[in-house]
Amino acid sequence: QQPVQSPQAVILREGEDAVINCSSSKALYSVHWYRQKHGEAPVFLMILLKGGEQKGHEKISASFNEKKQQSSLYLTASQLSYSGTYFCGTERWLRGTSYGKLTFGQGTILTVHP
Amino acid sequence: DGGITQSPKYLFRKEGQNVTLSCEQNLNHDAMYWYRQDPGQGLRLIYYSQIVNDFQKGDIAEGYSVSREKKESFPLTVTSAQKNPTAFYLCASSIYSGKANEQFFGPGTRLTVL
Repeated sequence: QQPVQSPQAVILREGEDAVINCSSSKALYSVHWYRQKHGEAPVFLMILLKGGEQKGHEKISASFNEKKQQSSLYLTASQLSYSGTYFCGTERWLRGTSYGKLTFGQGTILTVHP
Repeated sequence: DGGITQSPKYLFRKEGQNVTLSCEQNLNHDAMYWYRQDPGQGLRLIYYSQIVNDFQKGDIAEGYSVSREKKESFPLTVTSAQKNPTAFYLCASSIYSGKANEQFFGPGTRLTVL
């Protein structure tokens, strides 16, 4: 089942902060975050795993609430280069291991203006 | 440089014709994936493969076929049975270690069926 992202779109001025949320109705093993520029391939930002482990970019932060099956991506002091569509991909908790099968949300469009 | 290549970037086909999209990676990744992206929407998984000579259906496999004869190659055939094949197709790969790993995406192939 597809995770739900909110908001659908965000407009910011440079330097402002934003939070993008991703919710699932299923128990999750991991949440992945990607950013996609128009017409380009998605680029990896962050993985959050059940149990608290994370890996990703130093300037990007995110959280994973295992009880609620929700993840949030925090974009602080936004730059023009942050503009794009942000996707979360969720991986279900099945037999304690990763099968690499992600289900992506519908995306959040982030626009940063000067 | 290591990476994922997809060819061609743009592809036009007549309705009723089968077409094969190429995906090659030199990252020595075990797992490879095919996604479909429609305008304004997220990525939907078509097929994935974790080892050579083995692959599984994703969420929207009907009308598509794949093969995984070599570790570095995972071609996707869009058959005439696919009712609405016009879309942006993305190939990805990742390490398969039983633990969540980031997926690396190719540049995509934009298929238009006339």
